[in-house]
Amino acid sequence: DAKTTQPPSMDCAEGRAANLPCNHSTISGNEYVYWYRQIHSQGPQYIIHGLKNNETNEMASLIITEDRKSSTLILPHATLRDTAVYYCIVREVNTDKLIFGTGTRLQVFP
Amino acid sequence: DTEVTQTPKHLVMGMTNKKSLKCEQHMGHRAMYWYKQKAKKPPELMFVYSYEKLSINESVPSRFSPECPNSSLLNLHLHALQPEDSALYLCASSQGQGASNSPLHFGNGTRLTVT
Repeated sequence: DAKTTQPPSMDCAEGRAANLPCNHSTISGNEYVYWYRQIHSQGPQYIIHGLKNNETNEMASLIITEDRKSSTLILPHATLRDTAVYYCIVREVNTDKLIFGTGTRLQVFP
Repeated sequence: DTEVTQTPKHLVMGMTNKKSLKCEQHMGHRAMYWYKQKAKKPPELMFVYSYEKLSINESVPSRFSPECPNSSLLNLHLHALQPEDSALYLCASSQGQGASNSPLHFGNGTRLTVT
């Protein structure tokens, strides 16, 4: 079962930062937090993942709280092409499984 | 573009037909996955192959039969499907061997319609 809670939908103005929250209060010490997004009619796209430290790549930043019970995905300058469903996933340890929750539908508007 | 290639992109089949979905990756990944996604729902895990052996079957009905001929290829054989099996079928791959630090890479799926 999915171990995360996300708001069902969010809006963001183009050019502004999009901050997508995720709660994972039952996360275990060695479970990773993954973020994927899915644009309509495409497969899920990997964005970023982290364990304890904050992470940044060319797409986004991932901020994980010190107690690891929640995280925030930051898209620093949202564009219309960032409109998608964003999935926050806690990945079980020592398994190949990846179980999706319900995600957040992000709408970026002009 | 995705590094995981799925064919066909679209498939329409009758309930008595037999068809196969195909997936290919050349990233050297040793784990390959099938997911099913209904409209406006998240992807649901069906099967996982690790080193060409079936490692996870999420209680999928036997009318879906996976096959992993080699480390680069994954098939999903379909037989006697029902209209409710209409969905987007997604393939993915990852390094495998329980490497939870290794992202899955997804294809763009096959959209299946069962009539």
